[in-house]
Amino acid sequence: EDQVTQSPEALRLQEGESSSLNCSYTVSGLRGLFWYRQDPGKGPEFLFTLYSAGEEKEKERLKATLTKKESFLHITAPKPEDSATYLCAVRDSGNTPLVFGKGTRLSVIA
Amino acid sequence: GAVVSQHPSRVICKSGTSVKIECRSLDFQATTMFWYRQFPKQSLMLMATSNEGSKATYEQGVEKDKFLINHASLTLSTLTVTSAHPEDSSFYICSASGAGPNSYEQYFGPGTRLTVT
Repeated sequence: EDQVTQSPEALRLQEGESSSLNCSYTVSGLRGLFWYRQDPGKGPEFLFTLYSAGEEKEKERLKATLTKKESFLHITAPKPEDSATYLCAVRDSGNTPLVFGKGTRLSVIA
Repeated sequence: GAVVSQHPSRVICKSGTSVKIECRSLDFQATTMFWYRQFPKQSLMLMATSNEGSKATYEQGVEKDKFLINHASLTLSTLTVTSAHPEDSSFYICSASGAGPNSYEQYFGPGTRLTVT
C-alpha cells in the first residue's frame, strides 16, 4: 500500500529563516511526486511534479528535490506570504488517485 | 494553463434538500476527475474517481446514492449531495487530470463550502 508521511506537522519560522519540509514515501512504482500549497478555505495550488530520483525543480523561494525514498521542499529566506499548508502526494500509475500526506502547516513570522 | 473552476464557491441549504456542485476544466480536457472532502485542519479525503462517460468509482465508506457524481463531458463533472444533513457540511474540492505527457498531474478547483442547516 502506498504511503506518504510528511514532517514536521507544523513549522514556525522567522522571516528570512530558511528551512526544509520532508516527505517520505513508499510506493510500488513512482509515476510522480507532487507538491501543493493550500491556503485556508482554498483548493490546493500545484507547485511541482518530480518524476525521478535526483530531479530538482525551483520556483521563486521554493526548491523541491527527490530521492528514492523522500522529497524535500526547501524554503529559502521565507516571507510571511509563504505561510500555508504544504501537501505532498504520490501517484503510482496512470490515472489512479493521488495519495496525500497530512501536510505541513508553515507559519512565517515577520 | 491547467485551470479548474468550481461553482458555487459557497452554498447554504436546509436539511433534506439536494445541492449540486459543478467542476469544470477550463483549458484542458479532463479524462479523469476526482472529488474530495476536507474537514477543518485535516488533509484531503478522496470520495470518488470518475472517468468521462463511465460510472464513478467510490471510495470505501462513501455512499454512492447520497453523493451522485456525473462526468458527462471532458470538461464538466458534477457532485450532487442528495437529502443533505448537517453532517454533510464540509469543504468539497474537485480535481482533474488530462491526457498526454502531463496526464499524471492533477489540478484542483478552488473548493465549495457547503453548510447544511
